[in-house]
Order: sequence, then C-alpha cells, then structure tokens
Amino acid sequence: GAVVSQHPSRVICKSGTSVKIECRSLDFQATTMFWYRQFPKQSLMLMATSNEGSKATYEQGVEKDKFLINHASLTLSTLTVTSAHPEDSSFYICSATREGREADTQYFGPGTRLTVL
Amino acid sequence: GQNIDQPTEMTATEGAIVQINCTYQTSGFNGLFWYQQHAGEAPTFLSYNVLDGLEEKGRFSSFLSRSKGYSYLLLKELQMKDSASYLCAVLDSNYQLIWGAGTKLIIKP
Repeated sequence: GAVVSQHPSRVICKSGTSVKIECRSLDFQATTMFWYRQFPKQSLMLMATSNEGSKATYEQGVEKDKFLINHASLTLSTLTVTSAHPEDSSFYICSATREGREADTQYFGPGTRLTVL
Repeated sequence: GQNIDQPTEMTATEGAIVQINCTYQTSGFNGLFWYQQHAGEAPTFLSYNVLDGLEEKGRFSSFLSRSKGYSYLLLKELQMKDSASYLCAVLDSNYQLIWGAGTKLIIKP
C-alpha cells in the first residue's frame, strides 16, 4: 500500500494561537511531502514542497514564517500554522511520493479541517 | 500559462456510463493523473497515464492522447458511491503537478 496519515483530523482554535499538523507515511519512506490547502468548493492549492532534512520550497504567496514546515524524517512532516486567524480556516491536506515505479504519484493523507474562531 | 480544463459538473444515472474529459496546456508533460475526492475528504489516486492509449482498472478506465492534450476518465456501471469530484492533474516538465478544478459528478438513482 501507500498509506499516509494526518493528525489531528479536525481542530478548532482561538485566533492568535498556533496549530501543528502532522503528516506521516505509514508503510513507506516518503521521498517528498507536499502540503495543500483547499477552501470549500475550490481546487487544491499547493502551499509547499518538502524533502527530509532540507528547507521547504514554498509556493508564491505563501508566507513561510506563518506556515512553518519541518520535515524531520523520511516518514514525518509537520505544518505549523502560527498565530492563526479566521481566514486560515481551511482543509489542509498532505501528500507523499515514494521511490519506485510510481515515483510521481502523490498519496494523500485524510486531511485536517482547521477552524479558527 | 498552464491550464487544465474539465467540466464543472456532470450528472449521470446509476448503472450507466459516464465520460469525464480533461484537456491541458502545460509546459511539458510527464504524465496525467486522475483522483477521486468525496466531499469533505482528501483525494484518492485513481490512475496515471504517461503513454497514449487506454488504461483499464475495473470499472474505471483512463485514456490519454498526448498529441491532442486530452484525457478522459470513463466510469462504467455507475454506483451511488461514485458521486464525488474527479480531479485531473498533469505533471509538467519541472515535475510540478498542475491541478484542474475538478468535475463534480452527481449520480441519480
């Protein structure tokens, strides 16, 4: 398989607090992990791409100081939304790719629904 | 610029066949993906095409014509659980995945 998990699945927080989301590849070592954001009825928006041990590459318009990405190991990446505000409320989804025949196929985690009050 | 076009919404009847089209203009091409996304859930991988032709996987098939910049996803023997959004995505020359906006498929009994 190619199972990716995310934790938490749902979080509600107060404005100004920070929220950490974990993304894990459970049965494979991920060559690359991706973080997406999806607003209701809209398509996926890539936020950043990260590889283990190196700094994440952020997409244009995504603030790296607000969305901190740490890719500590080949199976774990974390996204921290710092000083969250209501406009950061969204569905955050990670994905991962693995080596081998389907090296470019992204396998998605179940997503984290963030609500900032 | 890079562009992926697919219909916004389609409706089909349970038990029938539906074809969801996707056309693309991208800087280079390294493969085309189809994903299924149920409401409120993350996408799940359906298919990958990099060569021209038809790839069949159970009730779902995906076709690619690189010369025409065109793909379709064919769903047979539709079931109510197939109601979802279907996302077309193309891997460009930089191996960046360019996403379409998705096609919402509504299945009626």
